[in-house]
Amino acid sequence: GENVEQHPSTLSVQEGDSAVIKCTYSDSASNYFPWYKQELGKRPQLIIDIRSNVGEKKDQRIAVTLNKTAKHFSLHITETQPEDSAVYFCAASRRRGTGGGADGLTFGKGTHLIIQP
Amino acid sequence: GAGVSQSPRYKVAKRGQDVALRCDPISGHVSLFWYQQALGQGPEFLTYFQNEAQLDKSGLPSDRFFAERPEGSVSTLKIQRTQQEDSAVYLCASSSLSGTGEAFFGQGTRLTVV
Repeated sequence: GENVEQHPSTLSVQEGDSAVIKCTYSDSASNYFPWYKQELGKRPQLIIDIRSNVGEKKDQRIAVTLNKTAKHFSLHITETQPEDSAVYFCAASRRRGTGGGADGLTFGKGTHLIIQP
Repeated sequence: GAGVSQSPRYKVAKRGQDVALRCDPISGHVSLFWYQQALGQGPEFLTYFQNEAQLDKSGLPSDRFFAERPEGSVSTLKIQRTQQEDSAVYLCASSSLSGTGEAFFGQGTRLTVV
Protein backbone atom coordinates (compact mmCIF):
# COMPACT_ATOMS: atom_id res chain seq x y z
CA GLY A 1 0.00 0.00 0.00
CA GLU A 2 0.83 3.67 -0.07
CA ASN A 3 3.27 5.17 2.43
CA VAL A 4 3.61 8.94 2.94
CA GLU A 5 6.55 10.47 4.79
CA GLN A 6 6.37 14.11 5.96
CA HIS A 7 9.13 16.45 7.20
CA PRO A 8 9.76 18.30 9.40
CA SER A 9 7.56 17.28 12.32
CA THR A 10 7.86 20.79 13.81
CA LEU A 11 8.67 24.03 12.00
CA SER A 12 9.09 27.39 13.68
CA VAL A 13 9.39 30.51 11.49
CA GLN A 14 9.30 34.25 12.08
CA GLU A 15 6.12 36.04 11.07
CA GLY A 16 6.49 37.22 7.49
CA ASP A 17 9.00 34.53 6.53
CA SER A 18 8.25 31.54 4.30
CA ALA A 19 7.57 27.97 5.42
CA VAL A 20 8.18 24.81 3.40
CA ILE A 21 6.89 21.34 4.27
CA LYS A 22 7.96 18.30 2.28
CA CYS A 23 6.36 14.91 1.66
CA THR A 24 7.32 11.78 -0.24
CA TYR A 25 5.05 8.96 -1.36
CA SER A 26 5.70 5.40 -2.45
CA ASP A 27 2.85 4.34 -4.77
CA SER A 28 3.38 5.51 -8.34
CA ALA A 29 -0.37 4.99 -8.96
CA SER A 30 -1.22 7.86 -6.60
CA ASN A 31 -2.45 10.84 -8.59
CA TYR A 32 -4.09 13.18 -6.08
CA PHE A 33 -2.19 15.08 -3.36
CA PRO A 34 -4.16 17.30 -0.96
CA TRP A 35 -2.88 19.34 1.96
CA TYR A 36 -4.98 19.75 5.09
CA LYS A 37 -4.71 22.26 7.93
CA GLN A 38 -5.90 21.15 11.35
CA GLU A 39 -6.20 23.50 14.31
CA LEU A 40 -6.27 22.04 17.79
CA GLY A 41 -9.48 20.14 18.43
CA LYS A 42 -10.91 20.94 15.01
CA ARG A 43 -11.55 19.09 11.78
CA PRO A 44 -8.94 18.86 9.01
CA GLN A 45 -9.67 21.45 6.31
CA LEU A 46 -8.40 21.31 2.75
CA ILE A 47 -6.16 24.25 1.90
CA ILE A 48 -4.86 23.22 -1.52
CA ASP A 49 -4.55 20.12 -3.66
CA ILE A 50 -2.74 19.05 -6.81
CA ARG A 51 -3.26 16.31 -9.34
CA SER A 52 -0.48 14.42 -11.05
CA ASN A 53 -1.02 16.07 -14.41
CA VAL A 54 0.38 19.40 -13.16
CA GLY A 55 3.65 20.34 -11.49
CA GLU A 56 2.64 23.40 -9.50
CA LYS A 57 -0.47 25.13 -8.21
CA LYS A 58 -0.83 28.47 -6.39
CA ASP A 59 -3.56 30.05 -4.33
CA GLN A 60 -2.58 33.45 -2.92
CA ARG A 61 0.13 32.82 -0.29
CA ILE A 62 0.01 29.05 -0.66
CA ALA A 63 1.61 26.92 -3.36
CA VAL A 64 2.18 23.23 -3.89
CA THR A 65 4.77 21.62 -6.15
CA LEU A 66 4.85 18.02 -7.35
CA ASN A 67 7.74 15.99 -8.74
CA LYS A 68 6.25 12.73 -10.02
CA THR A 69 9.59 11.24 -10.99
CA ALA A 70 11.02 11.67 -7.51
CA LYS A 71 7.63 11.01 -5.87
CA HIS A 72 7.72 14.08 -3.70
CA PHE A 73 5.54 17.13 -3.20
CA SER A 74 5.91 20.25 -1.10
CA LEU A 75 3.78 22.96 0.48
CA HIS A 76 5.05 26.52 0.39
CA ILE A 77 3.51 29.26 2.53
CA THR A 78 4.82 32.80 1.96
CA GLU A 79 4.44 35.88 4.17
CA THR A 80 3.40 33.74 7.12
CA GLN A 81 0.88 35.15 9.59
CA PRO A 82 -0.02 34.13 13.17
CA GLU A 83 -3.23 32.48 11.93
CA ASP A 84 -1.13 30.07 9.87
CA SER A 85 -0.08 28.35 13.12
CA ALA A 86 -1.58 24.83 13.01
CA VAL A 87 -0.75 21.23 12.13
CA TYR A 88 -0.47 20.59 8.40
CA PHE A 89 -0.96 17.16 6.84
CA CYS A 90 -0.05 16.03 3.36
CA ALA A 91 -1.89 13.08 1.83
CA ALA A 92 -1.98 10.93 -1.28
CA SER A 93 -4.58 8.80 -3.01
CA ARG A 94 -5.72 7.46 -6.36
CA ARG A 95 -8.65 9.03 -8.15
CA ARG A 96 -10.20 7.07 -10.99
CA GLY A 97 -11.47 9.96 -13.09
CA THR A 98 -14.86 11.65 -13.17
CA GLY A 99 -17.49 9.39 -11.68
CA GLY A 100 -14.98 6.74 -10.70
CA GLY A 101 -14.54 7.51 -7.07
CA ALA A 102 -11.32 7.44 -5.13
CA ASP A 103 -9.30 5.39 -2.69
CA GLY A 104 -9.00 6.58 0.88
CA LEU A 105 -6.33 9.14 1.67
CA THR A 106 -2.98 8.09 3.12
CA PHE A 107 -1.76 10.88 5.40
CA GLY A 108 1.66 11.92 6.57
CA LYS A 109 2.28 12.28 10.30
CA GLY A 110 1.86 16.04 10.24
CA THR A 111 3.95 19.18 10.68
CA HIS A 112 3.31 21.49 13.60
CA LEU A 113 3.88 24.97 12.15
CA ILE A 114 4.61 27.68 14.71
CA ILE A 115 4.65 31.32 13.61
CA GLN A 116 6.79 33.43 15.96
CA PRO A 117 5.59 37.05 16.33
CA GLY B 1 -26.58 20.04 4.52
CA ALA B 2 -24.27 22.54 6.16
CA GLY B 3 -21.43 20.07 6.45
CA VAL B 4 -20.48 16.62 7.68
CA SER B 5 -21.98 16.04 11.10
CA GLN B 6 -20.77 13.47 13.60
CA SER B 7 -22.25 12.38 16.90
CA PRO B 8 -21.54 12.12 19.69
CA ARG B 9 -18.67 14.62 19.86
CA TYR B 10 -17.25 12.86 22.89
CA LYS B 11 -17.72 9.32 24.16
CA VAL B 12 -16.27 7.69 27.24
CA ALA B 13 -16.61 3.91 27.28
CA LYS B 14 -15.60 1.34 29.82
CA ARG B 15 -13.30 -1.34 28.48
CA GLY B 16 -15.39 -4.12 26.99
CA GLN B 17 -18.34 -1.88 26.19
CA ASP B 18 -19.74 -1.62 22.65
CA VAL B 19 -19.99 1.84 21.04
CA ALA B 20 -21.68 3.24 17.93
CA LEU B 21 -20.51 6.40 16.19
CA ARG B 22 -22.71 8.21 13.70
CA CYS B 23 -21.85 10.20 10.59
CA ASP B 24 -24.23 12.38 8.56
CA PRO B 25 -22.47 13.23 5.28
CA ILE B 26 -23.13 16.25 3.11
CA SER B 27 -26.40 15.69 1.25
CA GLY B 28 -25.83 14.08 -2.12
CA HIS B 29 -22.27 12.97 -1.43
CA VAL B 30 -21.84 9.45 -2.76
CA SER B 31 -18.48 8.67 -1.14
CA LEU B 32 -18.03 8.30 2.61
CA PHE B 33 -14.81 7.53 4.48
CA TRP B 34 -13.96 6.71 8.09
CA TYR B 35 -10.56 7.54 9.57
CA GLN B 36 -8.96 6.99 12.98
CA GLN B 37 -6.69 9.73 14.35
CA ALA B 38 -4.56 8.91 17.38
CA LEU B 39 -3.19 11.79 19.46
CA GLY B 40 -0.41 13.61 17.63
CA GLN B 41 -0.75 11.48 14.50
CA GLY B 42 -2.26 11.85 11.06
CA PRO B 43 -5.64 10.31 10.25
CA GLU B 44 -5.48 6.65 9.23
CA PHE B 45 -7.93 5.19 6.72
CA LEU B 46 -10.42 2.67 8.06
CA THR B 47 -13.10 2.07 5.43
CA TYR B 48 -14.82 3.52 2.33
CA PHE B 49 -18.40 3.45 1.05
CA GLN B 50 -19.75 4.37 -2.34
CA ASN B 51 -23.48 4.76 -1.74
CA GLU B 52 -24.42 1.74 0.41
CA ALA B 53 -21.62 -0.47 -0.90
CA GLN B 54 -18.57 -0.89 1.32
CA LEU B 55 -15.85 -0.96 -1.33
CA ASP B 56 -12.82 -1.02 0.94
CA LYS B 57 -12.51 -2.10 4.57
CA SER B 58 -8.82 -2.87 4.50
CA GLY B 59 -8.03 -0.34 7.23
CA LEU B 60 -10.30 -1.75 9.91
CA PRO B 61 -7.87 -2.86 12.63
CA SER B 62 -9.78 -5.93 13.80
CA ASP B 63 -13.06 -7.78 13.47
CA ARG B 64 -14.31 -5.77 16.46
CA PHE B 65 -14.75 -2.85 14.06
CA PHE B 66 -17.78 -2.81 11.80
CA ALA B 67 -19.23 -0.06 9.59
CA GLU B 68 -22.47 0.22 7.69
CA ARG B 69 -24.33 2.66 5.46
CA PRO B 70 -27.58 0.81 4.71
CA GLU B 71 -29.40 3.53 2.76
CA GLY B 72 -26.39 5.20 1.21
CA SER B 73 -26.56 8.27 3.44
CA VAL B 74 -25.96 8.08 7.21
CA SER B 75 -23.17 5.75 8.32
CA THR B 76 -22.45 4.10 11.64
CA LEU B 77 -19.08 2.84 12.86
CA LYS B 78 -19.47 0.22 15.58
CA ILE B 79 -16.71 -0.96 17.85
CA GLN B 80 -17.39 -4.05 19.93
CA ARG B 81 -15.67 -4.92 23.21
CA THR B 82 -13.70 -1.66 23.24
CA GLN B 83 -10.08 -1.71 24.37
CA GLN B 84 -7.79 1.09 25.54
CA GLU B 85 -5.93 1.16 22.22
CA ASP B 86 -9.21 2.11 20.52
CA SER B 87 -9.01 5.54 22.19
CA ALA B 88 -8.71 8.07 19.36
CA VAL B 89 -10.66 10.61 17.36
CA TYR B 90 -12.81 8.97 14.69
CA LEU B 91 -13.25 11.20 11.65
CA CYS B 92 -15.81 10.83 8.92
CA ALA B 93 -15.40 12.46 5.49
CA SER B 94 -17.63 12.66 2.45
CA SER B 95 -17.10 13.67 -1.15
CA SER B 96 -18.92 13.77 -4.44
CA LEU B 97 -17.80 11.74 -7.44
CA SER B 98 -17.85 14.74 -9.73
CA GLY B 99 -16.18 18.13 -9.54
CA THR B 100 -13.02 18.45 -7.48
CA GLY B 101 -13.80 15.39 -5.40
CA GLU B 102 -12.62 17.23 -2.29
CA ALA B 103 -13.15 15.27 0.92
CA PHE B 104 -14.96 17.27 3.60
CA PHE B 105 -14.35 16.15 7.16
CA GLY B 106 -16.63 16.13 10.16
CA GLN B 107 -15.46 17.38 13.56
CA GLY B 108 -14.92 13.83 14.73
CA THR B 109 -15.91 11.76 17.74
CA ARG B 110 -13.30 11.61 20.50
CA LEU B 111 -13.51 8.13 22.02
CA THR B 112 -11.84 7.49 25.37
CA VAL B 113 -11.81 3.93 26.67
CA VAL B 114 -11.21 3.68 30.42
